[in-house]
Amino acid sequence: QSALTQAASVSGSPGQSITISCTGTSSDVGSYNLVSWYQHHPDKAPKLMIYEVNKRPSGVSNRFSGSKSGNTASLTISGLQAEDEADYYCCSYVGSSTLMFGGGTKLTVL
Amino acid sequence: QVQLVQSGAEVKKPGASVKVSCKASGYIFGSYTMHWVRQAPGQSLEWMGWISAGSGNTKYSQQFQDRVTITRDTSASTVYMELSGLRSEDTAVFYCARDGGYADDNGLIVGADYYMDVWGKGTTVTVSS
Repeated sequence: QSALTQAASVSGSPGQSITISCTGTSSDVGSYNLVSWYQHHPDKAPKLMIYEVNKRPSGVSNRFSGSKSGNTASLTISGLQAEDEADYYCCSYVGSSTLMFGGGTKLTVL
Repeated sequence: QVQLVQSGAEVKKPGASVKVSCKASGYIFGSYTMHWVRQAPGQSLEWMGWISAGSGNTKYSQQFQDRVTITRDTSASTVYMELSGLRSEDTAVFYCARDGGYADDNGLIVGADYYMDVWGKGTTVTVSS
C-alpha cells in the first residue's frame, strides 16, 4: 500500500493562510475519522498538531485546523509565522489496526 | 510530565539486529499503546507497528512484519523494538510514540485511538560495513 499523497512543498508569506492536503482512498482516509497531523522540525521529535481529523491538542495554536472531505484530509495554518516552517505529515488509520503516513509536505515561510 | 526516553545511537553491520528501548514515565504505562516510527534520511515517516503495553498484543506494518519485534517490560515501563536482518537502507532515526488513547465515558483509557501524542527524541541507527 502506497503512502498517502501529499504535495512535496508549499509556501506562504507571514500572515497568510496555507492548506496542506492529504489524499488517500475510500478504504482509508475516506472511511475513518482517524486522521492526524504532525509538525516536524529537523533534528527534533515530531509534534502532534491535529487528531481525529479536526481536534486540536491542548497547547497547539488555534491557527492550526483540520478538515476532511471525501478521501482528502486537509491541514490549514492561518496567520503564518516563521516558526511554522517545518515538514508536515498526515497519518491515517487504514484498517486492520494499522496506520499509514503521508509522504510529507515541506512548508516554507517566505 | 509524560516522557519517553529512548536508548542511544547504534552502529550495526549489515545482517545484524538492533534493539532500541523506550522508557516511559509520567503516566500509567499499562493503559496505553506505543507505536514505533522510522525516518530514513531525506524520507518520510514510516509507521512500523504498535504494542499494547497492558496486554502485550502487537500489530506490525506489512513492510516490516518479517523483521520487527516489539515487546514490553511492564516492571520497567519500557518498550523495545528489535529490527533484524539490517541493511544499509535501514539507516534511520527510530521513534517511539505513545498512542493518545481512546477513553470510555468514565475517562478510562480502553484502547488505541491511532494518533501519537507524545514522542521520544529518536534513536539513530546506522547500518554500515
